[in-house]
Amino acid sequence: QVTLKESGPALVEPTQTLTLTCTFSGFSLTTTGERVTWIRQPPGKALEWLARIDWEDDKFYTTSLKTRLTVSKDTSKNQVVLTMANMDPVDTATYYCVHSHRGKWRGCFDVWGQGAVVTVSS
Amino acid sequence: QSVLTQPPSVSGAPGQRVTISCTGTSSNIGAGYDVHWYQQLPGTIPKVVMYGNDNRPSGVPDRFSGSKSGTSASLAITGLQTEDEADYYCQSYDSSLRGSVFGGGTKLTVL
Repeated sequence: QVTLKESGPALVEPTQTLTLTCTFSGFSLTTTGERVTWIRQPPGKALEWLARIDWEDDKFYTTSLKTRLTVSKDTSKNQVVLTMANMDPVDTATYYCVHSHRGKWRGCFDVWGQGAVVTVSS
Repeated sequence: QSVLTQPPSVSGAPGQRVTISCTGTSSNIGAGYDVHWYQQLPGTIPKVVMYGNDNRPSGVPDRFSGSKSGTSASLAITGLQTEDEADYYCQSYDSSLRGSVFGGGTKLTVL
């Protein structure tokens, strides 16, 4: 059974860097086809795809935030880390860590973490 | 402004049929990339209700169906039930952006 859980600060100040950790179980990011994606959702707004890291350590970022985002993995700990620099109040959102597999269900986001609520405010 | 376009809201009475559209472009849906649909009940995390355009995960009622044609896709729900009241999001891949893209979401109200 695949599970994911996000952890990190609930409150960050403007201009700070946000670091979120996704700790997962039920799969390994060394297995062919496995992927972990970060998606966020501002309060009352739509889902927004942020970044993805694959089993081969390939990384993909949304164009609009590419300069601020970094995603990495620690396969020994079954963790994926997302950092977002220069946080702004508009970055206030719930941040989801999500599983997908290239060969399962046509690569859709099949298992979602519970989400980490992040507020940006001074 | 989302890459995929959905109507902000749809509504229907219990037992009726509703459809939610998702319109893209030649670099996403029109390029042949799959469309997936997610249901987000109030206060909960998203859940996939349709994958690969027209495939239902086990556990999703057969009242849900999906289709895709050209640069658009649709999610249809027949025999509406109050429990279907939720936000629905379509998602695909965009070759120009080299990443996944979502629609702006559609709020389904069961009257």
